[in-house]
Amino acid sequence: NAGVTQTPKFQVLKTGQSMTLQCAQDMNHEYMSWYRQDPGMGLRLIHYSVGAGITDQGEVPNGYNVSRSTTEDFPLRLLSAAPSQTSVYFCASNPSRYTEAFFGQGTRLTVV
Amino acid sequence: AQSVTQLDSHVSVSEGTPVLLRCNYSSSYSPSLFWYVQHPNKGLQLLLKYTSAATLVKGINGFEAEFKKSETSFHLTKPSAHMSDAAEYFCVVRLMNRDDKIIFGKGTRLHILP
Repeated sequence: NAGVTQTPKFQVLKTGQSMTLQCAQDMNHEYMSWYRQDPGMGLRLIHYSVGAGITDQGEVPNGYNVSRSTTEDFPLRLLSAAPSQTSVYFCASNPSRYTEAFFGQGTRLTVV
Repeated sequence: AQSVTQLDSHVSVSEGTPVLLRCNYSSSYSPSLFWYVQHPNKGLQLLLKYTSAATLVKGINGFEAEFKKSETSFHLTKPSAHMSDAAEYFCVVRLMNRDDKIIFGKGTRLHILP
């Protein structure tokens, strides 16, 4: 069982560069979300999706875009990377909105 | 305001002794409550969840938590710590209301002393 797969695991970007963090799940879950984890802050929700074609903003959406063209994939795009976006990013999926989340292994992003 | 507070950022216990990780929440609505564990350089794994059934919830690896509405608490316990329990633990509240907020605590790092 692959579960939730995130790529890449590590990435270094220069300020101003753009990139896409990939997230795929093979559990046919409707609900998917992106979080960032910073020391002492817990996880903060960036964007989420309740199904293909539907996305919404979370707590810290600025500087990030998402789309959900299929049930399986939920990529996160950084439009113009900034050092403040240095963080560990986690993608998660849930069978439905009110059930527990299954997390990917994370992407450690450094913006220099 | 809705929130979740993990009262200790670090907890150290000796191997074989009990573990207590404390979590308090504030909510005007009936919440779902979760505990997740994160081992170093890994993703988060669900330990247990409370969704308004039994107030004492048993999870994986010998952990359990008790929902106490009067104290708005959901503390995580384990009778006997093992070295492999060293990790960071997150208490998570999901508010079952129209806003459907998910709130993570800031985490408690558990250290196991040999």
